[in-house]
Amino acid sequence: AQRVTQPEKLLSVFKGAPVELKCNYSYSGSPELFWYVQYSRQRLQLLLRHISRESIKGFTADLNKGETSFHLKKPFAQEEDSAMYYCALSGWSGAGSYQLTFGKGTKLSVIP
Amino acid sequence: DVKVTQSSRYLVKRTGEKVFLECVQDMDHENMFWYRQDPGLGLRLIYFSYDVKMKEKGDIPEGYSVSREKKERFSLILESASTNQTSMYLCASSTGYEQYFGPGTRLTVT
Repeated sequence: AQRVTQPEKLLSVFKGAPVELKCNYSYSGSPELFWYVQYSRQRLQLLLRHISRESIKGFTADLNKGETSFHLKKPFAQEEDSAMYYCALSGWSGAGSYQLTFGKGTKLSVIP
Repeated sequence: DVKVTQSSRYLVKRTGEKVFLECVQDMDHENMFWYRQDPGLGLRLIYFSYDVKMKEKGDIPEGYSVSREKKERFSLILESASTNQTSMYLCASSTGYEQYFGPGTRLTVT
């Protein structure tokens, strides 16, 4: 069974401080991992995925298979980064499609 | 741009009512999903469909059913709404790994 753990429900940082949102996963195969973000009153949207290895809005995430982690990082937090962040793992459902398993989410609050 | 729309942003229903939530996508995606989103619980998969008329149970299917008669439309049905089904319901579609989400329907059952 696949599982995603986000240990922090809430993370508060000051503007300009570094941010790290933690994500650990459990999956028997080769994982495809994502970070989704939901800003206030907006729909859930993809922030980044590990296979693209790109930086979006200053955020990066590295897949560490040894530690089964996919932590999201940003060197200098901005107020507009305040949002709900979900880590997600894509695995084959065994029934015709890939299925995303989400963590419970971390609410990031950036203090001005 | 992929567009996923949901029929209502807010819905208030009474206990015991039959409730229909509609989702439509315009990108010819094979796969569609229904989640509920609750504080502290994240997103939990209710049902998904990988083709017309095909459906599979997710993690929390009890009390729900779905219908997919056309590729672009996926309906979630609450046969007899209960107060513990008060939640935010999200629809998504995909053609592979990445899922695209609708704006959500906030359902309140009184």
